Amino acid sequence: DGGITQSPKYLFRKEGQNVTLSCEQNLNHDAMYWYRQDPGQGLRLIYYSQIVNDFQKGDIAEGYSVSREKKESFPLTVTSAQKNPTAFYLCASSIVGTYNSPLHFGNGTRLTVT
Amino acid sequence: GQQVMQIPQYQHVQEGEDFTTYCNSSTTLSNIQWYKQRPGGHPVFLIQLVKSGEVKKQKRLTFQFGEAKKNSSLHITATQTTDVGTYFCAGSAGNNRKLIWGLGTSLAVNP
Repeated sequence: DGGITQSPKYLFRKEGQNVTLSCEQNLNHDAMYWYRQDPGQGLRLIYYSQIVNDFQKGDIAEGYSVSREKKESFPLTVTSAQKNPTAFYLCASSIVGTYNSPLHFGNGTRLTVT
Repeated sequence: GQQVMQIPQYQHVQEGEDFTTYCNSSTTLSNIQWYKQRPGGHPVFLIQLVKSGEVKKQKRLTFQFGEAKKNSSLHITATQTTDVGTYFCAGSAGNNRKLIWGLGTSLAVNP
């Protein structure tokens, strides 16, 4: 089955540590995205990539970094510079078309930093 | 900046009652998408509307895009407990293809 895999589902880290969230897709989608979701909030875009080896900052990129070395993979690093890292992180992918193509989301990673 | 407002924030209905959530944009949208997120789950794409005045139906769900392409609605007829979740709208404007998300409407259904 095609889809997006995020791992792990739950992640616990101590303050001051960097942590990398994994996102892999086998949908052959060109575009990949990272969103952050806080309770009662909508989705806020962290980074997105429309092609391998290229990515752009979203609305809340500070304290985060990404790489896109392979079409299938778009890992997100939450650095110690991110002030409030505890959140639900969602990875998504889509085809690149004339209009916004539907986003396919992974199951998400719940990150807790104490 | 561009904003998408979604109302109501919460809605509690008795099973069998109808439900509507509304999405309003400060600018004209190129298209609007609707997603459903079950509790503890991830958003799942429901539908995309592109044309002015467009109406689309999926079983008990009816989606509308306003004539001015600034507002949209999702109406559920005769809610069921399986409809529980948060419904999000997301739109983009002009050449900026970045999606702007509403904050969602959380629907609770009493059996």
